[in-house]
Amino acid sequence: DGGITQSPKYLFRKEGQNVTLSCEQNLNHDAMYWYRQDPGQGLRLIYYSQIVNDFQKGDIAEGYSVSREKKESFPLTVTSAQKNPTAFYLCASSPRSGIWNEQFFGPGTRLTVL
Amino acid sequence: RKEVEQDPGPFNVPEGATVAFNCTYSNSASQSFFWYRQDCRKEPKLLMSVYSSGNEDGRFTAQLNRASQYISLLIRDSKLSDSATYLCVVMGDDKIIFGKGTRLHILP
Repeated sequence: DGGITQSPKYLFRKEGQNVTLSCEQNLNHDAMYWYRQDPGQGLRLIYYSQIVNDFQKGDIAEGYSVSREKKESFPLTVTSAQKNPTAFYLCASSPRSGIWNEQFFGPGTRLTVL
Repeated sequence: RKEVEQDPGPFNVPEGATVAFNCTYSNSASQSFFWYRQDCRKEPKLLMSVYSSGNEDGRFTAQLNRASQYISLLIRDSKLSDSATYLCVVMGDDKIIFGKGTRLHILP
């Protein structure tokens, strides 16, 4: 089955620790995205990548880092510099590069920083 | 004016009724528009793209009004399973803006 997987579903970390969220897709999509969603808020774009070995900052990139070494993988690291990391993190992919195309989401990771 | 605005609801609608949502946007250069539905604590799922000519998929109809800068979603013959939060998305000028969503409750 083709799709987007994110792991883990729930993640708990202590304040001050870096944590990496996994996102994998086997849809052969060119573009991948990371968002965070806070209660009562719209999704906000953290980073996106339109091609392997290239990525751009979104609206709220501070305190986050990404890599795109393989087309199917786009991991997100939440660093200790992120002031409010507790949130629902969603990864998405899009068939074509260019950020004006439809996106398909993975099931998300709920990160709680204690 | 906010970049993208949606009425947060909730809309409480009896089963079988027709319900309509609007989403206004501020950037006249926006290029692409979509509706997603999101169930509680789940990921958003693409519902449909939105075009000026209108787009229909079964009971769902989406429309774009560029002159007034809004998109709309119409749900006819609503079902209990339509209960969800509906998100509009506006893309353009290298920006992707999600609305905060409109909550819909279909009542039996």
